[in-house]
Amino acid sequence: DVKVTQSSRYLVKRTGEKVFLECVQDMDHENMFWYRQDPGLGLRLIYFSYDVKMKEKGDIPEGYSVSREKKERFSLILESASTNQTSMYLCASSLGGPTDTQYFGPGTRLTVL
Amino acid sequence: GENVEQHPSTLSVQEGDSAVIKCTYSDSASNYFPWYKQELGKGPQLIIDIRSNVGEKKDQRIAVTLNKTAKHFSLHITETQPEDSAVYFCAASSREYGNKLVFGAGTILRVKS
Repeated sequence: DVKVTQSSRYLVKRTGEKVFLECVQDMDHENMFWYRQDPGLGLRLIYFSYDVKMKEKGDIPEGYSVSREKKERFSLILESASTNQTSMYLCASSLGGPTDTQYFGPGTRLTVL
Repeated sequence: GENVEQHPSTLSVQEGDSAVIKCTYSDSASNYFPWYKQELGKGPQLIIDIRSNVGEKKDQRIAVTLNKTAKHFSLHITETQPEDSAVYFCAASSREYGNKLVFGAGTILRVKS
């Protein structure tokens, strides 16, 4: 079974803090994604990566950055957290092709106070 | 870019009845349409998908239909059971969007027993 794990299920941070969300997949997948899930808005793509050290912006990259130093690990970074970044963050991975199934982690509920 | 609209936002059905969720997309070049189910406290999981060269696909109690001319696709769940209660997301893979998935806003399905 594919397993995608996220470092925290719940996280509370203060405005202005630097926040790291970690994601690890154990199936040697090429692609990794970070989404943000908000009620009524579905899943919106923040950043994705098709290879190590490679990253591309999604729909809503402002205020976020990413890092992929190893194939299995994809980190989302909030350089200076703001209250409007309070949300559920979902990481996903897929094997390689554009129509390959995306496997999601359980999500991190981030609250920025 | 691609836009995916999903209706209804919430749906309540009696156990044993059928449920239908509809999505429309804007990019006529979109060619892959997956459906994901998200149970409480978990990440979304692929339940069925359809490609643009197929009009209908079934998997036990779940079916998906695609109308390319009208640019809409639907999820049909027959003989609903309480364990079908979840949030369902449709998505479209748009060639113009680099073959990345664009998700609908989600439908909360409640199956009353």
